[in-house]
Amino acid sequence: EPEVTQTPSHQVTQMGQEVILRCVPISNHLYFYWYRQILGQKVEFLVSFYNNEISEKSEIFDDQFSVERPDGSNFTLKIRSTKLEDSAMYFCASRIGGYSNQPQHFGDGTRLSIL
Amino acid sequence: AQKITQTQPGMFVQEKEAVTLDCTYDTSDPSYGLFWYKQPSSGEMIFLIYQGSYDQQNATEGRYSLNFQKARKSANLVISASQLGDSAMYFCAMREPLQGKLIFGQGTELSVKP
Repeated sequence: EPEVTQTPSHQVTQMGQEVILRCVPISNHLYFYWYRQILGQKVEFLVSFYNNEISEKSEIFDDQFSVERPDGSNFTLKIRSTKLEDSAMYFCASRIGGYSNQPQHFGDGTRLSIL
Repeated sequence: AQKITQTQPGMFVQEKEAVTLDCTYDTSDPSYGLFWYKQPSSGEMIFLIYQGSYDQQNATEGRYSLNFQKARKSANLVISASQLGDSAMYFCAMREPLQGKLIFGQGTELSVKP
């Protein structure tokens, strides 16, 4: 069964450094998402991406964050200058197109630790 | 604004018994979707079951069923014949109709006792 793939599974970065989290969504999916889960808390929406542009972003997704779909397969989340509070699990998700009952399929997440 | 509430931070159930995990929601939109996800200790998010607001019947998926009470705005997950592998965090989520983002509840940690 096709799945969403995220790399790396764990990223340790010094505060102030840039980090890029990578995702390969399911190949025929058209909608892409990034979510964040701080340890012990609920999953929070960051950004949605469709037709090569951001369709919605949350207040968490400030100027430090950016997303890209540089080719036909990868979907990346970049944090320009990491802060301690960026430490969290980051999930990429994708879903097939259209207004449908199809679920978002999540990757296994990247655990980001900022030192 | 849409909101999801899970009032049970933790639940215990005996192996082979059924358990109900509560979820209530708030939305003014007549069209919405409700999802349940399982998050084991390893961290991944696993889709379990979906209920659409216009669905006439309660959703079922193997040992998982959804007790959907639209008037009460509740969408409780029922797990029948619990197994040790069901021990995990369970999240209820609502899909926002326009952009499709998911809004999650706080989660319920389920522990299955042998």
